[in-house]
Amino acid sequence: AQSVTQPDIHITVSEGASLELRCNYSYGATPYLFWYVQSPGQGLQLLLKYFSGDTLVQGIKGFEAEFKRSQSSFNLRKPSVHWSDAAEYFCAVLPRRGGYQKVTFGTGTKLQVIP
Amino acid sequence: NAGVTQTPKFQVLKTGQSMTLQCAQDMNHNSMYWYRQDPGMGLRLIYYSASEGTTDKGEVPNGYNVSRLNKREFSLRLESAAPSQTSVYFCASSHASKREIHSDEQFFGPGTRLTVL
Repeated sequence: AQSVTQPDIHITVSEGASLELRCNYSYGATPYLFWYVQSPGQGLQLLLKYFSGDTLVQGIKGFEAEFKRSQSSFNLRKPSVHWSDAAEYFCAVLPRRGGYQKVTFGTGTKLQVIP
Repeated sequence: NAGVTQTPKFQVLKTGQSMTLQCAQDMNHNSMYWYRQDPGMGLRLIYYSASEGTTDKGEVPNGYNVSRLNKREFSLRLESAAPSQTSVYFCASSHASKREIHSDEQFFGPGTRLTVL
């Protein structure tokens, strides 16, 4: 069955430390891949997306993600976390095939940043 | 350019009451969506509309109805609210359509926090 998994429900990092949030998918062909961020009390905002080409994708707010076909992963990274990065992060996939397709969201990883 | 707007922001209902959540977008998007967000479950698609005049069920449609009033507006109705419908509801829109495949992002509204007592 097609699925997207975020194995970490909650992650705590110190301000200034590096961050990696994991995302794995299970689809027949590489889907379109997205990372969204949700600040407390807000809707989701797109951080970055992968469609094709360079497997390292740059996004807003200093985030990047690397697509690894062999691992069916699309992990989100940031070299130095800021307190304002505390939020919930969602990986999402859109099947890459004909016809109308819908996005499936992971269950989210909540990031806590400590001083 | 307001993006996606939702009303109301908060609502408390008693079991059995009805209400309509409103959503509008000003980006000329073809597709609109309604999701519910519950702790530990991510976002689950309730209904979507790929174009004006069409609606389709998503993952969790039971207990809900929708109307795509025009290209801008997509409403979600709870006819007889139940405590299990306590959730945060998000409306979203995107360029995707049934005639063209779009890999564009979805744009989200700020959400409606609904409590059913």
